[in-house]
Amino acid sequence: NAGVTQTPKFQVLKTGQSMTLQCAQDMNHNSMYWYRQDPGMGLRLIYYSASEGTTDKGEVPNGYNVSRLNKREFSLRLESAAPSQTSVYFCASTRQGIQPQHFGDGTRLSIL
Amino acid sequence: ELKVEQNPLFLSMQEGKNYTIYCNYSTTSDRLYWYRQDPGKSLESLFVLLSNGAVKQEGRLMASLDTKARLSTLHITAAVHDLSATYFCAVDRGYGGSQGNLIFGKGTKLSVKP
Repeated sequence: NAGVTQTPKFQVLKTGQSMTLQCAQDMNHNSMYWYRQDPGMGLRLIYYSASEGTTDKGEVPNGYNVSRLNKREFSLRLESAAPSQTSVYFCASTRQGIQPQHFGDGTRLSIL
Repeated sequence: ELKVEQNPLFLSMQEGKNYTIYCNYSTTSDRLYWYRQDPGKSLESLFVLLSNGAVKQEGRLMASLDTKARLSTLHITAAVHDLSATYFCAVDRGYGGSQGNLIFGKGTKLSVKP
């Protein structure tokens, strides 16, 4: 049972490079989410997709774009990476918004 | 703007003792979640609280929700080392309908010592 799978698990980028983080879920969930976690800050929602074909901004969307490729996959793109985007990124999914979210293992991203 | 505050942010407990973690939020919401995170790991759902007065219990953990006071508590009974982790509360921005747009507290890092 894979659940929510994130790739890659680790990545180092240089400032200005672009990168796409991938997320896939095999639980037939409708809603998917991208968060970032910084020390002492909890998790902050970047973007979410309540259902296939829709995306909405969360708390900290600047510098990111997302694509809900199909029901299973939700990708996060950094067009021009900045050191302030160094963080651990978590993808999550749920069948419907009211239910608890299932989280992937995270992507640890460092931008030099 | 919805804000979620957890207290304390750090908690060192002795095994066998009881303690409570508090989660206050600033605007109306009727959905609150508790998650656990072990160091370097993902988040695991503990409780979903969906109405005023809701109480959920699992093992040594009990969570409650008072929507009028905008307060949730996570009570730990007779702590054991295995409970050492960071605990997050999260509040849904929506009221009535929900898209899972959550605001997380900063987390309470719990350390249980023998």
